[in-house]
Amino acid sequence: DAGITQSPRHKVTETGTPVTLRCHQTENHRYMYWYRQDPGHGLRLIHYSYGVKDTDKGEVSDGYSVSRSKTEDFLLTLESATSSQTSVYFCATGGTYSYNEQFFGPGTRLTVL
Amino acid sequence: DAKTTQPPSMDCAEGRAANLPCNHSTISGNEYVYWYRQIHSQGPQYIIHGLKNNETNEMASLIITEDRKSSTLILPHATLRDTAVYYCIVRVHYSGGSNYKLTFGKGTLLTVNP
Repeated sequence: DAGITQSPRHKVTETGTPVTLRCHQTENHRYMYWYRQDPGHGLRLIHYSYGVKDTDKGEVSDGYSVSRSKTEDFLLTLESATSSQTSVYFCATGGTYSYNEQFFGPGTRLTVL
Repeated sequence: DAKTTQPPSMDCAEGRAANLPCNHSTISGNEYVYWYRQIHSQGPQYIIHGLKNNETNEMASLIITEDRKSSTLILPHATLRDTAVYYCIVRVHYSGGSNYKLTFGKGTLLTVNP
C-alpha cells in the first residue's frame, strides 16, 4: 500500500472555527484526493489535485478549500466548520494518470459541535 | 461510468472461497472493472482491476465474462479479516475528463464466519 498518513486522526471542534486536515504521502504520486464518508451517502469527492498547486473541485466542495505546495502534502481546510461537516475524511493518492488506482489513508474522524 | 449491481450481503465460511458477483451490463468497451473493499473503520483498499482477461494477484482473482456484462471477485481462502464491504466499480482509462472520480455504490457486505 502507498505510504499515506493523515493527521489528526480524530478531532473535535466547535462550529465556526477553522480546521485543517493534513494528508502526507511518500509515494511521489501525482494525484491526491480528499473524500468524505457519511452514512447513507457513501464516499463523496471533495477536492482533488493533479500536481503541485494544481487543484480542482469535486462533487461536494462548498465550505472546503485545499492546497498543495509540495508533492507529498495535500491540505484540506474547513474555513468555518459547521455541524454538517461532521464526517470521516479520507485522503487518497493515485499515480501519474487520473485513471490509476487510488490508495486510501486511514481517515480522520471530525466532529463539529 | 457504467452502473454496477451487487448483492447487498453475502456469507462465507472461513477457509472457503468467497465469490462476489457484480453485474455491469451497460459497460462500454473502454471501461475497466475495479474492485475495492472497506474494512470497518478503515479507508477503502484497492484489490484488483481488469479489462477482459482474467486477472490474479496476491489478494484475489477477477473473472470477467466473455461479454463483459458481469464479473466475479474470488477470494480463494477467506479469513475473518476479509469481512468487509466490497465495491465493484467500472471506469474508463483515459486521461482527462471526470475519470479521476471513483464512484462507490453500496457494495456487498461479505461476512466471513468461523
